[in-house]
Amino acid sequence: AQSVTQLDSHVSVSEGTPVLLRCNYSSSYSPSLFWYVQHPNKGLQLLLKYTSAATLVKGINGFEAEFKKSETSFHLTKPSAHMSDAAEYFCVVSGTPGSARQLTFGSGTQLTVLP
Amino acid sequence: SQTIHQWPATLVQPVGSPLSLECTVEGTSNPNLYWYRQAAGRGLQLLFYSVGIGQISSEVPQNLSASRPQDRQFILSSKKLLLSDSGFYLCAWWGGARAGAYYEQYFGPGTRLTVT
Repeated sequence: AQSVTQLDSHVSVSEGTPVLLRCNYSSSYSPSLFWYVQHPNKGLQLLLKYTSAATLVKGINGFEAEFKKSETSFHLTKPSAHMSDAAEYFCVVSGTPGSARQLTFGSGTQLTVLP
Repeated sequence: SQTIHQWPATLVQPVGSPLSLECTVEGTSNPNLYWYRQAAGRGLQLLFYSVGIGQISSEVPQNLSASRPQDRQFILSSKKLLLSDSGFYLCAWWGGARAGAYYEQYFGPGTRLTVT
């Protein structure tokens, strides 16, 4: 079985400062990991994914995440926050390979960007 | 490219009334389809998934049901809505590894349901 924990339910940063959203996972196999972003009343958009290739993954809008197996972490970062980054972010781990049940979602981190 | 549609976008229904939410996918065939619910202040809860026409797997017991009458159509229904059914309902699809999607899912725009 797999699980994912987002360590902060809310993160607040000032515009232009770095963003760090933390995610830890557990899995009994080598998982794929994802970050999704959701703006209010919108569907989820894939930011980036890790699928056992490079451990540092670059995504859209300047976000990146590093897969650290020893720490079972997949933290999301961005060097400089923009107002448009304000949204909810979900860390997601894949299910058993080949399983249709697919994904396990974290509880989400609400990012607020202050002017 | 693949597109996923959901309708209606918003819905306000009284308690005890029926429900039908529809999801359709374009640009892919034989996708896995998923229904999620997102209650206020909570993460995503997987409700149902389907690997093919007429094949439905339920994740949680509830007064909701799902059907897949066609390959690219997924319907969420209820005979009698409860207040607790209020939330944001998201449909998603997964096209499989052959589409180059390593287990990621693609989400529709969602339906905001308010039960009064």
